[in-house]
Amino acid sequence: KAGVTQTPRYLIKTRGQQVTLSCSPISGHRSVSWYQQTPGQGLQFLFEYFSETQRNKGNFPGRFSGRQFSNSRSEMNVSTLELGDSALYLCASSALMNTEAFFGQGTRLTVV
Amino acid sequence: QKEVEQNSGPLSVPEGAIASLNCTYSDRGSQSFFWYRQYSGKSPELIMFIYSNGDKEDGRFTAQLNKASQYVSLLIRDSQPSDSATYLCALKGTSYGKLTFGQGTILTVHP
Repeated sequence: KAGVTQTPRYLIKTRGQQVTLSCSPISGHRSVSWYQQTPGQGLQFLFEYFSETQRNKGNFPGRFSGRQFSNSRSEMNVSTLELGDSALYLCASSALMNTEAFFGQGTRLTVV
Repeated sequence: QKEVEQNSGPLSVPEGAIASLNCTYSDRGSQSFFWYRQYSGKSPELIMFIYSNGDKEDGRFTAQLNKASQYVSLLIRDSQPSDSATYLCALKGTSYGKLTFGQGTILTVHP
């Protein structure tokens, strides 16, 4: 069974640009959640989708958005990038709401 | 008070010893508890999950949950140098699929 796949693995963007990250969950998993990991803040929750509906959102500005498609694949978008957005962005998939979550390899975003 | 607190590290144990990692949480509505291992530069890897009070064993790993005292722990028996990593305690509560993480404990197993 294939794991969670995130693309791209690495990105370098300039301040003010926007970026879209992609996540394909484990087959059969309908819940996809996104996290930002930085050395100073640790792992912070961005948002969670289930059956194409955002059910929960973390404390991030509106520049961070996401969506989920009917095949459960998810994308997150960050607009007007800031230097502080440089981080490892992780996607996790779960079969159900409270079951175990499995992470993808992450996308390392660097904003210059 | 932080939602999830882990014992401060770093933790250093000799090869073959038992490593004990602890975690306390504040939300009594928390339902599911997880331990992830993260190697430097890699993504978190799920190593244990526990949903009910008591102990759960999987190979060299034992997770312990006490909901009344609001703590969860991870024991690693016969620690190996390859166990050296950051260990993250996480939980899911009533906020749908949101995982809340502790700050992590760095474990070093020295030969």
